[in-house]
Amino acid sequence: GAGVSQSPSNKVTEKGKDVELRCDPISGHTALYWYRQRLGQGLEFLIYFQGNSAPDKSGLPSDRFSAERTGESVSTLTIQRTQQEDSAVYLCASTHGGILAKNIQYFGAGTRLSVL
Amino acid sequence: SQQGEEDPQALSIQEGENATMNCSYKTSINNLQWYRQNSGRGLVHLILIRSNEREKHSGRLRVTLDTSKKSSSLLITASRAADTASYFCATFNQAGTALIFGKGTTLSVSS
Repeated sequence: GAGVSQSPSNKVTEKGKDVELRCDPISGHTALYWYRQRLGQGLEFLIYFQGNSAPDKSGLPSDRFSAERTGESVSTLTIQRTQQEDSAVYLCASTHGGILAKNIQYFGAGTRLSVL
Repeated sequence: SQQGEEDPQALSIQEGENATMNCSYKTSINNLQWYRQNSGRGLVHLILIRSNEREKHSGRLRVTLDTSKKSSSLLITASRAADTASYFCATFNQAGTALIFGKGTTLSVSS
């Protein structure tokens, strides 16, 4: 597709369950980011992938959060043993890569996660 | 921690009026970006201003940057109801690996 695609668009789960969120970046974009946005708040950086380099995981809030990406393709964000505080919109973005500080990020529509 | 802080948090205006939003940031930057978000979903990039630029225009958008005050402003002229959205400023973290966003300004334009 032409843009960043995220699935599912909405996810309702019970506390303690694991969830997996998916992101398909724009074809050819080497860099991929995950962010979390709580209601009424700005975006919190979670994790960054650049090509085959080791990811920057510095934003992951706990060891219940993990993410994978194979090469320059799809990424999955996994949240284990979900808690109510994990309820948020999870946004994925991709960029061309290269000179990172000059790159514009293209966002998906997000996954709205509700933990009951 | 959040790098940018927008002001005001909320702004309500009538169609045709101008809307001004401000952003302050903490560390040195190479550039600053403004994004728009509709209905709490995906963000759309609006404009990027580099640290050596003081003002930039794009259509009805005007962005200024004052690196001495570590602040930026976004002006939307002749606002329309379709401009209703949340607006965020963002700068890269020091590692250059991710954008740091403020909490945003929620703009409501009524017709």
